[in-house]
Order: sequence, then C-alpha cells, then structure tokens
Amino acid sequence: GENVGLHLPTLSVQEGDNSIINCAYSNSASDYFIWYKQESGKGPQFIIDIRSNMDKRQGQRVTVLLNKTVKHLSLQIAATQPGDSAVYFCAENLGGISGGYNKLIFGAGTRLAVHP
Amino acid sequence: SQTIHQWPATLVQPVGSPLSLECTVEGTSNPNLYWYRQAAGRGLQLLFYSVGIGQISSEVPQNLSASRPQDRQFILSSKKLLLSDSGFYLCAWGSPNQPQHFGDGTRLSIL
Repeated sequence: GENVGLHLPTLSVQEGDNSIINCAYSNSASDYFIWYKQESGKGPQFIIDIRSNMDKRQGQRVTVLLNKTVKHLSLQIAATQPGDSAVYFCAENLGGISGGYNKLIFGAGTRLAVHP
Repeated sequence: SQTIHQWPATLVQPVGSPLSLECTVEGTSNPNLYWYRQAAGRGLQLLFYSVGIGQISSEVPQNLSASRPQDRQFILSSKKLLLSDSGFYLCAWGSPNQPQHFGDGTRLSIL
C-alpha cells in the first residue's frame, strides 16, 4: 500500500501509555476541526471532531482539546494499543460554508508508533 | 449506512496515457463529493469538489479533470498522464459542517 508517513514526525509510545498528538492550525476564522487516522494503504478514517464553540470533546478512549487563543489542537489517546499505530491528521474547516461545501485544510500528519 | 467505493485500488500507467478513476457513494443523496491527492509522507491536497450533478470546482490548476454524471458518482480523468500525476488519489463525500468520509484510495504510478 501507499507508504504514508515516510517523512512525517513520529511519536513513539509504549503500549498502555497515553498518547498526545499536537496540531497547529493556521486560520483564526476556522470553526470546525476534525481528527483522522490513516493506516497504510487506506483512506483517512474519521476519529473525532470539535466545533469552535467548545474547547474539549471526548469520545471512546480519545479526547480532542482546542485552544483558539494559540490556534492549537490536540488529540489524546488513552491506553494506547498496537492497533492505534497509524498516521494522524488534523483538519480545519475554513470559516463556514462557501457555496454549499466545507473546505478542509489538512495538516501534514504525525505517525504514531506503538511498541509492545 | 453510507459507503464509498473507489476503484481500481492500484493502477500503473505509462506517461501520455489516459486516466479514469471512479468513485461511487451509497446510502446518501446529494452528497458533496471531493477528490484529493496525497503524495508519499504528505497531507491531503484538495483537487476538485462538487455540490451537485454537473457542478465541478477545481482547487488547483493541473492536468486532471473531474465529472459528476450522476448524483453519487464522481470521476477523475486525464487525457494524457504526466510523471507528476503519480500519487495516492482519494475520494470523499460529506455534508456541510460534517466530517468528510473517505474511500480507500487509488495508488497511481506513472512509468
């Protein structure tokens, strides 16, 4: 499959530890943010999203934090498992809907490597 | 539930040959549809989006074109492929202010 993550920053963690993946976004007008997980040879898979009127949202083993002051987004994964190994992308929606669609701008990605 | 299909999964084409990649969505109507390209070790670059049948918007000038002949069908084409067209092509569908959902992509290699 596609060698996603060839030049990406890598976060290495031990199985069972918590992982934190960070993302800086660029546009202060962005109002909606999404985290995706991409395994090698596959398309990105939706993990969790957050809107700009919130600063924290929790899912199953994942938490997204949004700091609009410094334009920073983070994804926390609790009790990281080998199956969490993948490339993680953040995406920002540029300020509302233009022409009926939302334009997502993706970050460069971070590779998460989970070691047993 | 909604599903999205892309094919083929892998394609090897000579320089100068034509291209047609197809994407279909099931379980939803009037979705927004998107084509992205992903270079190795990089993020996703939006190529085209469509908000309805026959409505195509291009994000970057390039050697590719897109068409939407039916509500849930999105096609990426080229008349003559260039070496620089190599990459991982992803189709996605979505609704405004909702997550986009991706297919499993086509890995295109140009020789």
